[in-house]
Amino acid sequence: AQSVSQHNHHVILSEAASLELGCNYSYGGTVNLFWYVQYPGQHLQLLLKYFSGDPLVKGIKGFEAEFIKSKFSFNLRKPSVQWSDTAEYFCAALHGGYNKLIFGAGTRLAVHP
Amino acid sequence: DTAVSQTPKYLVTQMGNDKSIKCEQNLGHDTMYWYKQDSKKFLKIMFSYNNKELIINETVPNRFSPKSPDKAHLNLHINSLELGDSAVYFCASRKGVSSYEQYFGPGTRLTVT
Repeated sequence: AQSVSQHNHHVILSEAASLELGCNYSYGGTVNLFWYVQYPGQHLQLLLKYFSGDPLVKGIKGFEAEFIKSKFSFNLRKPSVQWSDTAEYFCAALHGGYNKLIFGAGTRLAVHP
Repeated sequence: DTAVSQTPKYLVTQMGNDKSIKCEQNLGHDTMYWYKQDSKKFLKIMFSYNNKELIINETVPNRFSPKSPDKAHLNLHINSLELGDSAVYFCASRKGVSSYEQYFGPGTRLTVT
């Protein structure tokens, strides 16, 4: 069965530090990958998505992710985090055959001023 | 101009009661979903409807019954509520088979006491 795993459950950083959140998926076919962010008390918002083409995807708020097919990975990065990036981050893969999103367990990011 | 809206935002009820959560999208999308986010923030799909037709039905107790009166609405009715049903329920919608991006509603926090 298709699954998505996120390595870091809880990350604590200081402002201006660089961020990388890991995400691996288990699916050998065509993949559509997403990163969603959930700010405290809010709904999920799409940060970025990968369908095909350039494996380096740029999203909103300075985030980017790189799709590495050989590693089944889609890690999220940001060169310099801000306090306002404090949130829960979810990696997800689209199970195309069933049109449903499979989510990772999420990574809670806390950024200290 | 809320794209995906849910009511109520908070719902506190006692075990054994029956309750409904409503979802509406004004995006003209064809497909709608219900996701459950548990206390550990883990998100899992429950149901999906496409043009009022059920297309995804995960392993969910039959106390949960989705209803789609039209393609802009997907309601979730829960019978005989249990403590374990306490969670945040998110509705989402997607344009159709040519689009993979899902738009999420603000969530309904259900607390069963």
